Amino acid sequence: DAGITQSPRHKVTETGTPVTLRCHQTENHRYMYWYRQDPGHGLRLIHYSYGVKDTDKGEVSDGYSVSRSKTEDFLLTLESATSSQTSVYFCAISKFGQGNTEAFFGQGTRLTVV
Amino acid sequence: DQQVKQNSPSLSVQEGRISILNCDYTNSMFDYFLWYKKYPAEGPTFLISISSIKDKNEDGRFTVFLNKSAKHLSLHIVPSQPGDSAVYFCAASAAGTASKLTFGTGTRLQVTL
Repeated sequence: DAGITQSPRHKVTETGTPVTLRCHQTENHRYMYWYRQDPGHGLRLIHYSYGVKDTDKGEVSDGYSVSRSKTEDFLLTLESATSSQTSVYFCAISKFGQGNTEAFFGQGTRLTVV
Repeated sequence: DQQVKQNSPSLSVQEGRISILNCDYTNSMFDYFLWYKKYPAEGPTFLISISSIKDKNEDGRFTVFLNKSAKHLSLHIVPSQPGDSAVYFCAASAAGTASKLTFGTGTRLQVTL
């Protein structure tokens, strides 16, 4: 198993509160990603990182920000959580960025915004 | 705009028979295709991949076929086993895009005894 740890695994939060999800890897991979999974949509990319302090937006980035101050950690922040952000969030890592390589996923964080 | 489509939400197959999961894509820039398997409450697990320079890739019981002209790929599982029951996601990426993946909506495979 790829060394990817997501925390917390489950969280319930109130609308309007800030939330930070953490992804920690022990593989020293350069590329890290945050995806969300929702019924009928598969997994969709929120943000990704191609190095320390290098991040970019994905398909569904509105309402989310990320930070990567160390190779091993990639944080996803919901500045002011909304009910539409209730989802399962997956972190992924990839060794290369050319496209012809697989990504490995963490076990997910189930976030409920009430 | 769904660039990767899995039109069958579910599939039921008897143990020992072949399972065929299908995937279509619309973006001609995609050149690498992957299949992931997902159990409930777990993250997706990489299963098998294929580059656009190939039309077939095999790994044990799993074979992926790619038809570029039709923008279609399929995953064959032979023989199917009860432990194969899971949701299968097709994903695609394009060269030079930081290995970002575009996923289909998934097909739930149930292998019955």
